[in-house]
Amino acid sequence: DVKVTQSSRYLVKRTGEKVFLECVQDMDHENMFWYRQDPGLGLRLIYFSYDVKMKEKGDIPEGYSVSREKKERFSLILESASTNQTSMYLCASSLSGTGGNYEQYFGPGTRLTVT
Amino acid sequence: AQSVTQPDIHITVSEGASLELRCNYSYGATPYLFWYVQSPGQGLQLLLKYFSGDTLVQGIKGFEAEFKRSQSSFNLRKPSVHWSDAAEYFCAVGQSYNTDKLIFGTGTRLQVFP
Repeated sequence: DVKVTQSSRYLVKRTGEKVFLECVQDMDHENMFWYRQDPGLGLRLIYFSYDVKMKEKGDIPEGYSVSREKKERFSLILESASTNQTSMYLCASSLSGTGGNYEQYFGPGTRLTVT
Repeated sequence: AQSVTQPDIHITVSEGASLELRCNYSYGATPYLFWYVQSPGQGLQLLLKYFSGDTLVQGIKGFEAEFKRSQSSFNLRKPSVHWSDAAEYFCAVGQSYNTDKLIFGTGTRLQVFP
């Protein structure tokens, strides 16, 4: 059974803290994605990685960075957490295709609260 | 730029009633189209996908969707809704031929009354 796991389901952090969200996939997928989900806004792409050490900004990269040192692991970093980064964070992975012709597999999500 | 519109934010149906969730997209070529479902507190699960061929696509849990190029639509249907179908549903489209990124709609929340 294919699996994408995220390090935490719930996380509470203070403003200004550095926050790490980890995602691991066991499907040998080339692509990995970090999304942010907010009510009424759907899923917004933060960053996309198409290979180890390769990354591409998504629609809302400001305030975030990512790291992909190994194929199976993709980390999202909030350099200095702010209250407007309180949200649900979803990680996904997919095979490399031609224009999104492979489905994305999602992890269960991390609900981050910044106080 | 490509986009996806789900015009219905919230839909309520009675158990056993039929369901249709709307999805419209803008894309120049034949799109890759997906429907995902998200149960409360969970990640997204793929219901079905369309790439080419037969425009009526069957998915899991008794769902189907029909691709209509003339209307730029990919509506999701189910003939008889079960209480367990209460969830949020997302339509997505492949962004373009040279990237594997998807564009997601804003979602439709389905509520099912007994």
